Amino acid sequence: QSALTQPASVSGSPGQSITVSCTGTSSDVGAYNYVSWYRVRPGNAPELMIHEVSNRPSGVSDRFSGSKSANTASLTISGLQAADEADYYCSSYTDTNTLVFGTGTQVTVL
Amino acid sequence: EVQLVQSGAEVKKPGESLKISCKASGYGFPFYWIAWVRQVPGKGLEWMGVISPEDSSTRYNPSFEGHVSISVDNSITTAYLQWSSLQASDTAVYYCARLLVIFRYTSVYWRFLDSWGQGTLVTVSS
Repeated sequence: QSALTQPASVSGSPGQSITVSCTGTSSDVGAYNYVSWYRVRPGNAPELMIHEVSNRPSGVSDRFSGSKSANTASLTISGLQAADEADYYCSSYTDTNTLVFGTGTQVTVL
Repeated sequence: EVQLVQSGAEVKKPGESLKISCKASGYGFPFYWIAWVRQVPGKGLEWMGVISPEDSSTRYNPSFEGHVSISVDNSITTAYLQWSSLQASDTAVYYCARLLVIFRYTSVYWRFLDSWGQGTLVTVSS
């Protein structure tokens, strides 16, 4: 069961928009809309940012948005802020009744 | 408010056993699955396994099956992750999380992890 592929790092200046990609296969990301995104700040537990491709939990800023095309999901952060610096992980349900996480992306605000 | 509160950090020797806990509150415990997730220092998140508190059915990541055991005690709304023989490579932070699922016909689909415990650091060293 291979991890979903994410870029190791993405950076942007305050106020800019960045996009983090998450590439899987037709057995996971491409097969279901059960793709979610989690933010992990140093020393903190993961936080759910996006669920089921594009849904934001209450309390999550509308600067965070998600989408999917074929086997690749994406997380976009608009109006980048210093507080957005963290590691971001995608996750997907798979056709073998398992869960797989992405490799993780470090987001840096320049 | 949904809360998952995990037991404290542990330091163990290789070969020792360990059971860490995840106390849930603020929701109907039997009706939401619990997942365990590992994060080795400096590495990414790895799904270890899930349990349905309603019937104690479990499903494990093949990478962890046979090495860990997941259980629940509904009477105290607590889930557990257990090792019978720890290895140095088990050194990591372990998170429990509430897993939302959906049933469609005869299948169950895992939607997302909506609430997480604070994590338990397990250090295994001789």
